[in-house]
Amino acid sequence: NAGVTQTPKFQVLKTGQSMTLQCAQDMNHNSMYWYRQDPGMGLRLIYYSASEGTTDKGEVPNGYNVSRLNKREFSLRLESAAPSQTSVYFCASSVAGGPNEQFFGPGTRLTVL
Amino acid sequence: AQRVTQPEKLLSVFKGAPVELKCNYSYSGSPELFWYVQYSRQRLQLLLRHISRESIKGFTADLNKGETSFHLKKPFAQEEDSAMYYCALSNDYKLSFGAGTTVTVRA
Repeated sequence: NAGVTQTPKFQVLKTGQSMTLQCAQDMNHNSMYWYRQDPGMGLRLIYYSASEGTTDKGEVPNGYNVSRLNKREFSLRLESAAPSQTSVYFCASSVAGGPNEQFFGPGTRLTVL
Repeated sequence: AQRVTQPEKLLSVFKGAPVELKCNYSYSGSPELFWYVQYSRQRLQLLLRHISRESIKGFTADLNKGETSFHLKKPFAQEEDSAMYYCALSNDYKLSFGAGTTVTVRA
């Protein structure tokens, strides 16, 4: 039982390049989330998926797109990376929304040059 | 709009001393509040939530609606408590996190 897994662990991009961050969970959770973590700002929600087939914007969605591929997988895409997107990205999942514990992945450290 | 404020970025205490991490929130409804912790080289994980009113690893947190606070306390800090702590507020599917407090417990 791996919990929440993320790939890759590290990535360096040049400005304008695109990439997709992958996330999968094996806990049969309905809800999945993408956050970014920046020093002094905590974690900020980028997008979330309340259930399979639905996605919604979070606090900082600009420059990102997501796909809930199936119940297990939730990917985050940067179409044209910018230096402001340099951050650590965390995927999380929970049984459902509301006051339920969220389980986090190990994170992806992304640097955009 | 909901907001979570953790006024201390860094907190350093001696082993065996009490530790208190401050968290204040603004929210128009009835808040659901959490403390998450990230130990070195480990994943972010739930420490405790106010609705369960439990003590985890010696930590407690009391919701004070009058002062809109949810401070985290431990009477005797241990070296293994050194970590980054985040206060978070749940609004439907969304968790709003504070900026985090890095706690260092010195021997």
